[in-house]
Amino acid sequence: DIVMTQTPLSLSVTPGQPASISCKSSQSLLHSDGKTYLYWYLQKPGQSPQLLIYEVSSRFSGVPDRFSGSGSGTDFTLKISRVEAEDVGVYYCMQGIHLPPTFGQGTKVEIK
Amino acid sequence: QVQLQQSGPGLVKPSQTLSLTCAISGDSVSSNSAAWNWIRQSPSRGLEWLGRTYYRSKWYNDYAVSVKSRITINPDTSKNQFSLQLNSVTPEDTAVYYCARWSGRKTNMDVWGKGTTVTVSS
Repeated sequence: DIVMTQTPLSLSVTPGQPASISCKSSQSLLHSDGKTYLYWYLQKPGQSPQLLIYEVSSRFSGVPDRFSGSGSGTDFTLKISRVEAEDVGVYYCMQGIHLPPTFGQGTKVEIK
Repeated sequence: QVQLQQSGPGLVKPSQTLSLTCAISGDSVSSNSAAWNWIRQSPSRGLEWLGRTYYRSKWYNDYAVSVKSRITINPDTSKNQFSLQLNSVTPEDTAVYYCARWSGRKTNMDVWGKGTTVTVSS
């Protein structure tokens, strides 16, 4: 199985400040079709995970543009340009190139 | 708008069978472009994909190796839902169980159920 490793595991951010989360995969997530199947999810307290970013950098429907994703191959980053109170929760990266889909350990973001 | 409504018991005795159902609205379990998944989450294992069922002219299943000998995921076309059965449970199967729709490689698992907390205890 592909191992997904996130850093840091927790982050405390002042509202209005940026935040960045790293995700590394044990194998390249670049498919032969030219797409890279890396996703970011946010699990808000008491809720199920919700899709934020698909294919590395595309924002899912309704996701604010303060969220952005980047990276290639095995190294990826999720950035929040200006953290808001509603952004608290645990962020997960996930790979979708090979079965089984696997998730990172999660990065808990809290507000200072 | 696609919604997934989960149901099932929150307490299961060791060695018995865990059974959960996920009712689909706004899409079809027989869709030729979707797949219907079960994922669980526990402090020790994190988010763990368990398996899926999907229809592409016939029904297919894929299961995680870790539970392959104990799991069955079945579609129910008459009720537009799918189910999870996990046999011979132990306390290590205690987790929050989620159903989710896979809508294609592009957006992958884009709709999730609210989750069911299942405790395995006598």
